[in-house]
Amino acid sequence: EVQLVESGGGLVEPGGSLRISCAASGFTFENYGMHWVRQPPGKGLEWVSGITWHSGSTGYADSVKGRFTISRDNAKNTLYLQIKSLRREDTALYYCAKDRERWLQSIDYWGQGTLVSVSS
Amino acid sequence: AIQMTQSPSSLSASVRDRVTITCRASQYIRNDLAWYQQKPGKAPKLLIYAASALHIGVPSRFSGSGSDTDFTLIISSLQPDDFATYYCLQDYSYPWTFGQGTKVEIE
Repeated sequence: EVQLVESGGGLVEPGGSLRISCAASGFTFENYGMHWVRQPPGKGLEWVSGITWHSGSTGYADSVKGRFTISRDNAKNTLYLQIKSLRREDTALYYCAKDRERWLQSIDYWGQGTLVSVSS
Repeated sequence: AIQMTQSPSSLSASVRDRVTITCRASQYIRNDLAWYQQKPGKAPKLLIYAASALHIGVPSRFSGSGSDTDFTLIISSLQPDDFATYYCLQDYSYPWTFGQGTKVEIE
């Protein structure tokens, strides 16, 4: 069974930084692309970033480009999102999600999310 | 970025009704479109990928169609478990983009 468990969320002041993580199990992590998707409270879904199986290619939403960095450690079965220069509009539930393929094709499984709140 | 326009934003329906949700892309996306179901307080679940391929374990009352810019999700006979919010996602080009969602409510 695919399991994705996010951690590292919390309350951060505007301009601050945070790294959130996703521990994966139940599948061969190194063989699949991975994503981060976020959802502000009471609002819709926004794709944030994706990374291919071997970290050879990454993509970002325009709203986070230059501030967020996606990475992965295949030896630790873990996905990361480094978030810098946080803004109030970055407040959201951040989901880790698995791709169907090595390259970024489509998302098939999701974690339960970790909440990032940006406030002074 | 490619804009995904989903309609309607909400609808009311009864059990056993046929429900249709559409998604229109602002430019060509081949058949690189997925549909997700989300219930309150829960993570989304994949229903359909590649516009028309049913994800494993998804009931056959769900179907998807379309290509290029226009796509449709159909629930052939709405069941009590189907009341939820549905999103389309284009995975054709970065940045991937979601539709704004369609909330399916009990009439």
